[in-house]
Amino acid sequence: ETGVTQTPRHLVMGMTNKKSLKCEQHLGHNAMYWYKQSAKKPLELMFVYSLEERVENNSVPSRFSPECPNSSHLFLHLHTLQPEDSALYLCASSQDGGTGGYNEQFFGPGTRLTVL
Amino acid sequence: DQQVKQNSPSLSVQEGRISILNCDYTNSMFDYFLWYKKYPAEGPTFLISISSIKDKNEDGRFTVFLNKSAKHLSLHIVPSQPGDSAVYFCAASVAHTGNQFYFGTGTSLTVIP
Repeated sequence: ETGVTQTPRHLVMGMTNKKSLKCEQHLGHNAMYWYKQSAKKPLELMFVYSLEERVENNSVPSRFSPECPNSSHLFLHLHTLQPEDSALYLCASSQDGGTGGYNEQFFGPGTRLTVL
Repeated sequence: DQQVKQNSPSLSVQEGRISILNCDYTNSMFDYFLWYKKYPAEGPTFLISISSIKDKNEDGRFTVFLNKSAKHLSLHIVPSQPGDSAVYFCAASVAHTGNQFYFGTGTSLTVIP
């Protein structure tokens, strides 16, 4: 596997289900991100992990719970979602210079989530 | 409040001609800008970037122009090829914000053979 992988690619769940999205990066990066892309909206940053610690949580509802067990893996745990949470969820990674340096983010293919 | 805007949802261009994709931003603190390209069923891939100390950056057929006074950047693709057909996102960032990028809504480019 190379780059950033995400599983599953498609997920349909009911509002009472609990599911998890998985992301794995094979690039040796030290920062990982979750984004949400809804139709006709810009990518919205949800969570940022740098060196396995969460550094950003852009006021995301608690029904989304991230987990970063190590620098290569990132999870997004989902529970009691709403239909408006249906979207494409993208994971990304980058090498965080820590000094404000800029490093582009590498994206996975995304998980298309549908909440019924 | 959307800080990065791509006002053209779609663009069609003839093969061999120039494609110009535009992006406007509102935050004057942005000092680094990127363009990403996205094919269906794939994640966005990095294309080209520019920092605010420059007004132009070129990479092969792709050139990004930055007009700081107008808070505007554009991506030029010349000559356009059918394989360039994709959705293009611009993104912007502020120094020392931990790689937090603000994205536009994207412009879908179709290059007609």
